[in-house]
Amino acid sequence: EPEVTQTPSHQVTQMGQEVILRCVPISNHLYFYWYRQILGQKVEFLVSFYNNEISEKSEIFDDQFSVERPDGSNFTLKIRSTKLEDSAMYFCASSVKENTIYFGEGSWLTVV
Amino acid sequence: QKEVEQDPGPLSVPEGAIVSLNCTYSNSAFQYFMWYRQYSRKGPELLMYTYSSGNKEDGRFTAQVDKSSKYISLFIRDSQPSDSATYLCAMSSGNTPLVFGKGTRLSVIA
Repeated sequence: EPEVTQTPSHQVTQMGQEVILRCVPISNHLYFYWYRQILGQKVEFLVSFYNNEISEKSEIFDDQFSVERPDGSNFTLKIRSTKLEDSAMYFCASSVKENTIYFGEGSWLTVV
Repeated sequence: QKEVEQDPGPLSVPEGAIVSLNCTYSNSAFQYFMWYRQYSRKGPELLMYTYSSGNKEDGRFTAQVDKSSKYISLFIRDSQPSDSATYLCAMSSGNTPLVFGKGTRLSVIA
Protein backbone atom coordinates (compact mmCIF):
# COMPACT_ATOMS: atom_id res chain seq x y z
CA GLU A 1 0.00 0.00 0.00
CA PRO A 2 1.41 3.41 -0.94
CA GLU A 3 2.56 5.52 1.99
CA VAL A 4 4.04 8.87 2.87
CA THR A 5 7.68 8.46 3.88
CA GLN A 6 9.62 10.89 6.04
CA THR A 7 13.28 11.35 6.92
CA PRO A 8 14.90 11.61 9.36
CA SER A 9 12.82 9.76 11.92
CA HIS A 10 14.59 11.60 14.72
CA GLN A 11 16.90 14.61 14.71
CA VAL A 12 18.59 16.41 17.57
CA THR A 13 19.79 19.91 16.78
CA GLN A 14 21.25 22.86 18.65
CA MET A 15 19.19 26.01 19.09
CA GLY A 16 19.80 28.41 16.22
CA GLN A 17 20.70 25.71 13.71
CA GLU A 18 18.87 25.12 10.45
CA VAL A 19 16.92 21.90 10.00
CA ILE A 20 15.47 20.35 6.87
CA LEU A 21 12.83 17.65 7.18
CA ARG A 22 12.14 15.59 4.08
CA CYS A 23 9.06 13.83 2.80
CA VAL A 24 8.08 11.72 -0.17
CA PRO A 25 4.30 12.02 -0.59
CA ILE A 26 2.14 9.32 -2.17
CA SER A 27 2.90 9.44 -5.89
CA ASN A 28 -0.47 10.42 -7.43
CA HIS A 29 -1.36 12.90 -4.68
CA LEU A 30 -1.70 16.58 -5.48
CA TYR A 31 -1.99 18.25 -2.07
CA PHE A 32 0.83 18.28 0.44
CA TYR A 33 0.87 19.34 4.06
CA TRP A 34 3.01 19.72 7.13
CA TYR A 35 1.50 19.35 10.58
CA ARG A 36 3.20 19.21 13.94
CA GLN A 37 2.41 17.71 17.32
CA ILE A 38 4.09 18.94 20.47
CA LEU A 39 4.32 16.13 23.04
CA GLY A 40 0.94 15.62 24.71
CA GLN A 41 -0.82 18.19 22.57
CA LYS A 42 -3.06 18.32 19.51
CA VAL A 43 -1.93 17.78 15.95
CA GLU A 44 -1.65 21.31 14.51
CA PHE A 45 -1.70 22.49 10.91
CA LEU A 46 1.36 24.32 9.63
CA VAL A 47 1.06 24.66 5.85
CA SER A 48 -0.59 23.26 2.75
CA PHE A 49 0.95 23.19 -0.72
CA TYR A 50 -0.76 22.72 -4.07
CA ASN A 51 0.30 23.35 -7.63
CA ASN A 52 3.81 24.32 -6.55
CA GLU A 53 2.80 27.04 -4.15
CA ILE A 54 1.60 27.51 -0.60
CA SER A 55 -2.19 27.43 -0.54
CA GLU A 56 -2.64 28.11 3.17
CA LYS A 57 -0.50 28.56 6.26
CA SER A 58 -1.18 28.89 9.96
CA GLU A 59 0.10 31.58 12.30
CA ILE A 60 2.67 29.05 13.53
CA PHE A 61 4.25 29.04 10.06
CA ASP A 62 6.21 32.27 10.39
CA ASP A 63 9.27 33.52 8.52
CA GLN A 64 11.44 30.85 10.18
CA PHE A 65 9.65 28.17 8.18
CA SER A 66 9.69 27.45 4.47
CA VAL A 67 8.58 24.61 2.23
CA GLU A 68 9.85 23.42 -1.12
CA ARG A 69 9.11 20.80 -3.69
CA PRO A 70 12.58 20.63 -5.23
CA ASP A 71 11.72 17.83 -7.67
CA GLY A 72 8.78 15.69 -8.69
CA SER A 73 8.84 13.50 -5.60
CA ASN A 74 10.24 15.29 -2.55
CA PHE A 75 8.59 17.85 -0.30
CA THR A 76 10.69 19.58 2.37
CA LEU A 77 10.15 21.69 5.46
CA LYS A 78 12.99 23.98 6.48
CA ILE A 79 13.28 25.66 9.86
CA ARG A 80 15.85 28.41 9.50
CA SER A 81 16.94 29.05 13.08
CA THR A 82 15.48 26.52 15.47
CA LYS A 83 14.12 27.47 18.90
CA LEU A 84 13.52 25.24 21.91
CA GLU A 85 9.77 25.49 21.32
CA ASP A 86 10.16 23.98 17.84
CA SER A 87 10.74 20.60 19.52
CA ALA A 88 7.87 18.45 18.27
CA MET A 89 6.89 15.61 15.97
CA TYR A 90 6.52 16.95 12.42
CA PHE A 91 4.16 15.09 10.13
CA CYS A 92 4.10 15.31 6.37
CA ALA A 93 0.80 14.41 4.73
CA SER A 94 -0.67 14.20 1.25
CA SER A 95 -4.02 13.77 -0.43
CA VAL A 96 -5.67 13.43 -3.81
CA LYS A 97 -8.57 15.64 -2.81
CA GLU A 98 -8.40 18.13 0.01
CA ASN A 99 -9.99 15.98 2.67
CA THR A 100 -8.79 12.36 2.63
CA ILE A 101 -5.38 13.08 4.09
CA TYR A 102 -2.72 10.44 4.70
CA PHE A 103 0.08 11.05 7.16
CA GLY A 104 3.66 9.87 7.33
CA GLU A 105 5.25 8.35 10.41
CA GLY A 106 6.71 11.68 11.48
CA SER A 107 10.08 13.25 12.15
CA TRP A 108 10.81 13.80 15.81
CA LEU A 109 12.76 17.04 16.24
CA THR A 110 14.52 17.79 19.50
CA VAL A 111 16.08 21.24 19.89
CA VAL A 112 18.64 21.52 22.69
CA GLN B 1 -15.35 27.40 23.32
CA LYS B 2 -12.76 25.19 21.68
CA GLU B 3 -13.38 24.36 18.04
CA VAL B 4 -13.15 20.58 18.55
CA GLU B 5 -13.49 18.93 21.94
CA GLN B 6 -12.57 15.35 22.70
CA ASP B 7 -12.35 13.63 26.06
CA PRO B 8 -8.69 12.59 26.46
CA GLY B 9 -9.52 9.56 28.60
CA PRO B 10 -7.82 7.25 29.30
CA LEU B 11 -10.55 4.77 28.47
CA SER B 12 -9.96 1.18 29.56
CA VAL B 13 -12.22 -1.66 28.38
CA PRO B 14 -12.09 -5.47 28.43
CA GLU B 15 -11.41 -7.35 25.21
CA GLY B 16 -14.60 -7.90 23.21
CA ALA B 17 -16.34 -4.78 24.52
CA ILE B 18 -18.00 -2.18 22.31
CA VAL B 19 -16.11 1.08 22.48
CA SER B 20 -17.72 4.48 21.93
CA LEU B 21 -15.50 7.49 21.20
CA ASN B 22 -16.93 10.96 20.71
CA CYS B 23 -16.16 14.51 19.67
CA THR B 24 -18.14 17.71 19.75
CA TYR B 25 -17.47 20.76 17.65
CA SER B 26 -18.60 24.35 17.40
CA ASN B 27 -18.07 25.27 13.74
CA SER B 28 -21.27 24.55 11.78
CA ALA B 29 -19.30 24.88 8.51
CA PHE B 30 -17.54 21.54 9.10
CA GLN B 31 -18.65 19.03 6.47
CA TYR B 32 -15.86 16.44 6.41
CA PHE B 33 -15.23 14.25 9.42
CA MET B 34 -12.39 11.84 9.95
CA TRP B 35 -11.18 9.42 12.58
CA TYR B 36 -7.50 8.64 12.87
CA ARG B 37 -5.73 6.05 15.01
CA GLN B 38 -2.32 6.97 16.41
CA TYR B 39 0.06 4.59 18.10
CA SER B 40 2.67 6.05 20.41
CA ARG B 41 5.23 8.19 18.56
CA LYS B 42 3.75 7.23 15.17
CA GLY B 43 1.80 9.11 12.52
CA PRO B 44 -2.02 9.31 12.48
CA GLU B 45 -3.54 6.48 10.44
CA LEU B 46 -6.79 7.28 8.63
CA LEU B 47 -9.56 4.93 9.82
CA MET B 48 -12.84 6.45 8.69
CA TYR B 49 -13.95 9.35 6.51
CA THR B 50 -17.50 10.69 6.44
CA TYR B 51 -19.04 13.52 4.50
CA SER B 52 -21.91 15.41 6.16
CA SER B 53 -24.39 13.58 8.41
CA GLY B 54 -25.07 9.86 8.64
CA ASN B 55 -23.40 6.57 9.38
CA LYS B 56 -20.56 4.71 7.75
CA GLU B 57 -19.44 1.18 8.55
CA ASP B 58 -16.13 -0.53 7.81
CA GLY B 59 -15.60 -3.92 9.41
CA ARG B 60 -15.65 -3.50 13.19
CA PHE B 61 -15.72 0.31 12.94
CA THR B 62 -18.79 2.54 12.59
CA ALA B 63 -18.62 6.32 12.27
CA GLN B 64 -21.65 8.49 13.00
CA VAL B 65 -22.13 12.18 12.36
CA ASP B 66 -24.98 14.23 13.81
CA LYS B 67 -24.57 17.73 12.40
CA SER B 68 -27.67 19.04 14.18
CA SER B 69 -25.99 18.29 17.53
CA LYS B 70 -22.45 18.95 16.26
CA TYR B 71 -21.47 15.53 17.57
CA ILE B 72 -19.53 12.71 15.97
CA SER B 73 -18.86 9.18 17.20
CA LEU B 74 -16.70 6.20 16.42
CA PHE B 75 -17.84 2.76 17.57
CA ILE B 76 -15.49 -0.21 17.72
CA ARG B 77 -17.16 -3.61 18.00
CA ASP B 78 -15.44 -6.69 19.45
CA SER B 79 -12.50 -4.59 20.60
CA GLN B 80 -9.06 -6.21 20.55
CA PRO B 81 -5.85 -5.45 22.47
CA SER B 82 -4.38 -4.31 19.12
CA ASP B 83 -6.99 -1.52 19.10
CA SER B 84 -5.17 0.08 22.04
CA ALA B 85 -4.07 3.46 20.72
CA THR B 86 -5.03 7.12 20.75
CA TYR B 87 -8.02 7.94 18.54
CA LEU B 88 -8.14 11.39 16.99
CA CYS B 89 -11.17 13.02 15.44
CA ALA B 90 -10.51 15.62 12.74
CA MET B 91 -12.77 17.77 10.63
CA SER B 92 -12.82 20.52 8.03
CA SER B 93 -15.20 22.62 6.00
CA GLY B 94 -13.73 21.42 2.73
CA ASN B 95 -11.38 24.22 1.81
CA THR B 96 -9.83 24.72 5.23
CA PRO B 97 -7.18 22.71 7.05
CA LEU B 98 -8.09 19.76 9.23
CA VAL B 99 -8.80 20.66 12.84
CA PHE B 100 -7.99 17.87 15.26
CA GLY B 101 -9.31 16.92 18.64
CA LYS B 102 -6.80 16.21 21.35
CA GLY B 103 -7.33 12.45 21.07
CA THR B 104 -8.76 9.77 23.37
CA ARG B 105 -6.34 7.17 24.69
CA LEU B 106 -7.89 3.71 24.58
CA SER B 107 -6.63 0.57 26.32
CA VAL B 108 -8.22 -2.79 25.54
CA ILE B 109 -7.35 -5.28 28.25
CA ALA B 110 -7.02 -9.00 27.34
